[in-house]
Amino acid sequence: DIVMTQSPDSLAVSLGERATINCKSSQSVLYRSDNKNYLGWYQQKPGQPPKLLIYWASTRESGVPDRFSGSGSGTDFTLTISSLQAEDVAVYYCQQHYTAPTFGKGTRLEIK
Amino acid sequence: EVQLVESGGGLIQPGGSLRLSCVASGFTVSSNAMSWVRQAPGKGLEWVSLIYIGGGTNHADSVKGRFTISRDNSKNTVYLQMSSLRAEDTAVYYCARGRRSSSDLFDFWGQGTLVTVSS
Repeated sequence: DIVMTQSPDSLAVSLGERATINCKSSQSVLYRSDNKNYLGWYQQKPGQPPKLLIYWASTRESGVPDRFSGSGSGTDFTLTISSLQAEDVAVYYCQQHYTAPTFGKGTRLEIK
Repeated sequence: EVQLVESGGGLIQPGGSLRLSCVASGFTVSSNAMSWVRQAPGKGLEWVSLIYIGGGTNHADSVKGRFTISRDNSKNTVYLQMSSLRAEDTAVYYCARGRRSSSDLFDFWGQGTLVTVSS
């Protein structure tokens, strides 16, 4: 199985400031034949199911605010929230789907 | 409007069996890959089982041989038959739809059903 390692475990950021979450895979999730990274990001708020934010490592799902962006390739990926809003408080997960799906352990994002 | 409604969870003794159901509306389950993903209390997400558009299935090693995913197209419903349940299977079980272009990335989730395995 591909192991997904997220950092940090938790993060406190002031409103309006940038939040950065990292995700590292134990092997590359870049599929050479289509040059796509098989990596997605989810947001989970308390008491709710996860919501898909980003797919192919950097493509925003429809309806996701443009303050959310994804970057990276191969084994190293980043989710960035450019200007933190109160409604962004949540746990964020990365997930690879290059092989049988696996998730990172999550990063808890709070307001400082 | 896309909806996924899970049911069938509850308290079950170790070694017991349970069948979860996921009724879909707003789309047809036979036109998308469908998965079950679980989340133990206070923990992260773990993919459990997937059924492809063509009907083929895949299961996580942790449940292989004990869980079976299936669907009934006439009822637009996906099932998860769970047997030989263990304490470590205790979790909220979510039904999730695979994206059209990638079966095992999930663009819509139900609210989940809680399975508690305990004597």
